Amino acid sequence: DGGITQSPKYLFRKEGQNVTLSCEQNLNHDAMYWYRQDPGQGLRLIYYSQIVNDFQKGDIAEGYSVSREKKESFPLTVTSAQKNPTAFYLCASSPGTGGFPSSYEQYFGPGTRLTVT
Amino acid sequence: SQQGEEDPQALSIQEGENATMNCSYKTSINNLQWYRQNSGRGLVHLILIRSNEREKHSGRLRVTLDTSKKSSSLLITASRAADTASYFCATRETSGSRLTFGEGTQLTVNP
Repeated sequence: DGGITQSPKYLFRKEGQNVTLSCEQNLNHDAMYWYRQDPGQGLRLIYYSQIVNDFQKGDIAEGYSVSREKKESFPLTVTSAQKNPTAFYLCASSPGTGGFPSSYEQYFGPGTRLTVT
Repeated sequence: SQQGEEDPQALSIQEGENATMNCSYKTSINNLQWYRQNSGRGLVHLILIRSNEREKHSGRLRVTLDTSKKSSSLLITASRAADTASYFCATRETSGSRLTFGEGTQLTVNP
């Protein structure tokens, strides 16, 4: 999990509350990503950012928001509009110099398990 | 959209045996990557193979890529109990700027 931290590891919230998941990297990577993983399934892309102050929607952006004010940080807010927010959330980063960031390997954080009741 | 699909969904073998996992995809790709995930943890990158490569090795891992069949395979030789994990393929399309992950293969290596 080197170089990327996610906090907290477990998060519990009541339905109707917004919650922000933290993701910080010290790898000097340009690109950062947020994925959602449901039990026994693969990763689905929520949002990604290839450069500071810019980000794009992934496949399942509805009910989520992000910001990229600093290169090191890419927080994800799960809003009350997300109908089924309970899941395992993974943040990743990759270098972006010289081409598309996805040409390179991605480095993942340890994940945050969010439970909404 | 689901680009990569792994096969089998689950694989159980004995320690010392080889494990082979397959990945199929739908569109033209720039590269294909394999990742490993231990239960409840983040993913770890294993190997990247570019579209102009056919085979790549890293330690006990061997990856092949057949762009005409739009498929890749990951072979783990002389498996160990510590290889027990989920393995995912991910593809970067030639026209895209992001990775798309498959559903994964759950590998169990019995001691």
